[in-house]
Amino acid sequence: NAGVMQNPRHLVRRRGQEARLRCSPMKGHSHVYWYRQLPEEGLKFMVYLQKENIIDESGMPKERFSAEFPKEGPSILRIQQVVRGDSAAYFCASSQDTGITDTQYFGPGTRLTVL
Amino acid sequence: GENVEQHPSTLSVQEGDSAVIKCTYSDSASNYFPWYKQELGKRPQLIIDIRSNVGEKKDQRIAVTLNKTAKHFSLHITETQPEDSAVYFCAASRTGRRALTFGSGTRLQVQP
Repeated sequence: NAGVMQNPRHLVRRRGQEARLRCSPMKGHSHVYWYRQLPEEGLKFMVYLQKENIIDESGMPKERFSAEFPKEGPSILRIQQVVRGDSAAYFCASSQDTGITDTQYFGPGTRLTVL
Repeated sequence: GENVEQHPSTLSVQEGDSAVIKCTYSDSASNYFPWYKQELGKRPQLIIDIRSNVGEKKDQRIAVTLNKTAKHFSLHITETQPEDSAVYFCAASRTGRRALTFGSGTRLQVQP
């Protein structure tokens, strides 16, 4: 049973370019979460999605960031016009839907470096 | 919103000793408290979690205690081993809002 998959594992972009991060949840999981971790810091919630729906985007910057979880395919976190401050590790997590607060399992992360 | 504070930020113990990490939370509605271990460059891995309907949970050398009145919970690691060295994060969430709010992390160093 494969765990949460993320790609790419490392991504280098120049300022002003776009970054696309992908996340495939664990089999049987319908909830996806994105978190950002700055160097030497904790994880900060960004967005929570179910298939075709954004449920909670309270942690997402209002500009340049967007997320989707289409009916088919992985969840995508998209960062437009990247700046140096976007350099961080971006972790995706997934959970089941049992009606209570479910355990979140994390992927290996995408380490974004903005030059 | 929820705020989780974690102490200490660093902790060094001798192999075989116990380690205790403490977290406090602000939202009295929080009812789920997981602990994650993160090794350098790796993903956060769940090591134990507790829900607000119990006060203590144990899994081999790891235990978590929860005091809902005081709004704090603690991770206890007994008989520490060098492979326990990592950064440990506590987190909290509640029914109706699945987002985890994390503490700032504790870097645990177990000296052989």
